[in-house]
Amino acid sequence: QKEVEQNSGPLSVPEGAIASLNCTYSDRGSQSFFWYRQYSGKSPELIMSIYSNGDKEDGRFTAQLNKASQYVSLLIRDSQPSDSATYLCAVASGGSYIPTFGRGTSLIVHP
Amino acid sequence: DAGVIQSPRHEVTEMGQEVTLRCKPISGHNSLFWYRQTMMRGLELLIYFNNNVPIDDSGMPEDRFSAKMPNASFSTLKIQPSEPRDSAVYFCASSRFQGYTGELFFGEGSRLTVL
Repeated sequence: QKEVEQNSGPLSVPEGAIASLNCTYSDRGSQSFFWYRQYSGKSPELIMSIYSNGDKEDGRFTAQLNKASQYVSLLIRDSQPSDSATYLCAVASGGSYIPTFGRGTSLIVHP
Repeated sequence: DAGVIQSPRHEVTEMGQEVTLRCKPISGHNSLFWYRQTMMRGLELLIYFNNNVPIDDSGMPEDRFSAKMPNASFSTLKIQPSEPRDSAVYFCASSRFQGYTGELFFGEGSRLTVL
């Protein structure tokens, strides 16, 4: 059974700090990795995707992938109160490409 | 462009009643997914369609659940009879190219409460 594990949090960081969110997965055949953001009472929204080992940067967000260690992380630089949300890690294997979601990490950015 | 449209946004019903949730995917997307989200279990895939054909329904919890996609612009998820443990937020999502890369676009969800 494919599993995606995240610390539920909450992770609390001060405004302007770097928030680091982590995710591990069980299926070594996984090929596609995603971070979705979900505000309270809203639907998940894709913010980052990464497919190869290393770092991928997009504005204040950096996704990091290490397939050998089976983990993927999301760094949010200069965190803002508007970043307060639940961040869902999703992993898809080759073949079906259907993502399996982790249960999410709650991030709180306090002024 | 319009996103994924779901209805109803909220549904409160009594145990034993039939519930029908509706979804209109983004035009041009050929894959459609139904997910259920609860605090206990997170986001779970129920079923997904590719080109209107159900591909994997292994996540459908029981025979009380059924889903259809009669055309490229419409899908339904039906629960009959409903039970209190079905209370959850049900999301519909769509994607291009057979769910390629897992880049899903979610609707706003249907919050179901079964009393």
